[in-house]
Amino acid sequence: EDKVVQSPLSLVVHEGDTVTLNCSYEVTNFRSLLWYKQEKKAPTFLFMLTSSGIEKKSGRLSSILDKKELFSILNITATQTGDSAVYLCAVIHEGAQKLVFGQGTRLTINP
Amino acid sequence: NAGVMQNPRHLVRRRGQEARLRCSPMKGHSHVYWYRQLPEEGLKFMVYLQKENIIDESGMPKERFSAEFPKEGPSILRIQQVVRGDSAAYFCASSLNRGTYEQYFGPGTRLTVT
Repeated sequence: EDKVVQSPLSLVVHEGDTVTLNCSYEVTNFRSLLWYKQEKKAPTFLFMLTSSGIEKKSGRLSSILDKKELFSILNITATQTGDSAVYLCAVIHEGAQKLVFGQGTRLTINP
Repeated sequence: NAGVMQNPRHLVRRRGQEARLRCSPMKGHSHVYWYRQLPEEGLKFMVYLQKENIIDESGMPKERFSAEFPKEGPSILRIQQVVRGDSAAYFCASSLNRGTYEQYFGPGTRLTVT
């Protein structure tokens, strides 16, 4: 059965800190991994990663995929209180369209 | 440039009633997905639809749940004879076409069964 595991489940840091969120997966016929940010509403798309070792970057957020070790990390530098959210990782199979989600990491940034 | 729209945002139903949840995809998107988020759990896939077709319903409970995406109008997720365990947030997502893997989510409908 497909498995997506995120760690830590919860993280509390101070504004300005750098955080690393982890996502490991066990899926058959892996195609891509996606990261979303969920505040009190719609999950917002952040990144989609398909190739190993290629970093994707958007402002203070970056992410990379390791297809050999079956994991991805999401880095946030110089965190701000607006980064407080649940960060979701999901994988998608080759030839399928449904996302398989992890349980999420709840990130809290204290001022 | 409207995103994915869902309504209602909150829905309260008594046990045994029917719930109808609506989803309008992003402009230009023809693929719709429904996910359910139970309290303290991750998002779980329910069904994937194109206009007038159900493509994958492997995550749908076998009874009481149905979904459609008609040629005109929004996609509808219908839950008949609701029970307390159906209380959850129901999210709709859309993508441009088959082979486009980025899915964009709506704000969700929070269903409460009393």
